[in-house]
Amino acid sequence: NAGVMQNPRHLVRRRGQEARLRCSPMKGHSHVYWYRQLPEEGLKFMVYLQKENIIDESGMPKERFSAEFPKEGPSILRIQQVVRGDSAAYFCASSPAGQVNFEKLFFGSGTQLSVL
Amino acid sequence: GESVGLHLPTLSVQEGDNSIINCAYSNSASDYFIWYKQESGKGPQFIIDIRSNMDKRQGQRVTVLLNKTVKHLSLQIAATQPGDSAVYFCAEKRGTDKLIFGTGTRLQVFP
Repeated sequence: NAGVMQNPRHLVRRRGQEARLRCSPMKGHSHVYWYRQLPEEGLKFMVYLQKENIIDESGMPKERFSAEFPKEGPSILRIQQVVRGDSAAYFCASSPAGQVNFEKLFFGSGTQLSVL
Repeated sequence: GESVGLHLPTLSVQEGDNSIINCAYSNSASDYFIWYKQESGKGPQFIIDIRSNMDKRQGQRVTVLLNKTVKHLSLQIAATQPGDSAVYFCAEKRGTDKLIFGTGTRLQVFP
């Protein structure tokens, strides 16, 4: 049973380009969370999704950032017109269906986004 | 604003000694806390959790203590090993679906 898979592991973009980060949850998991981590800091909540639904996007910047979790395929975090301040590690986590259970929340290894 | 933070950014301990990592939180209504371990290049890994109706919980070589009076929790690691070297985060459940992470403490274990 593979864990939470994120790709790419490293992504380099120039200012103004788009970044697409992918997350495949663990098998049987239908809840996906995205967190952002700056160097030497803790993770910051961005968004919580279930299949085809955004449940909580209170941590998402109002502009340029969007997330989706389609019925089929991975969850996508999309950042348009990237700026240097978007450089960070982006972590995805997944948990099983039902009531949120943080003990069963598993994180991927993250995507390190570098904006030149 | 409300936050979860740590007292010590780096902790160096000798192999075999016990480690204590501290965390302060500011939301007195918080009722659930988790400690995570993050190794270099990896995502956070669940270590142990505790609910606010408890003041102590023990796992394998780890103990979490919660002091609600001063809004403080700690992670104790017994007989620290080189494999324990990592950054440790406390996290606080906020609402029903998100975690608020502290800044982290880097634990370095030397022989």
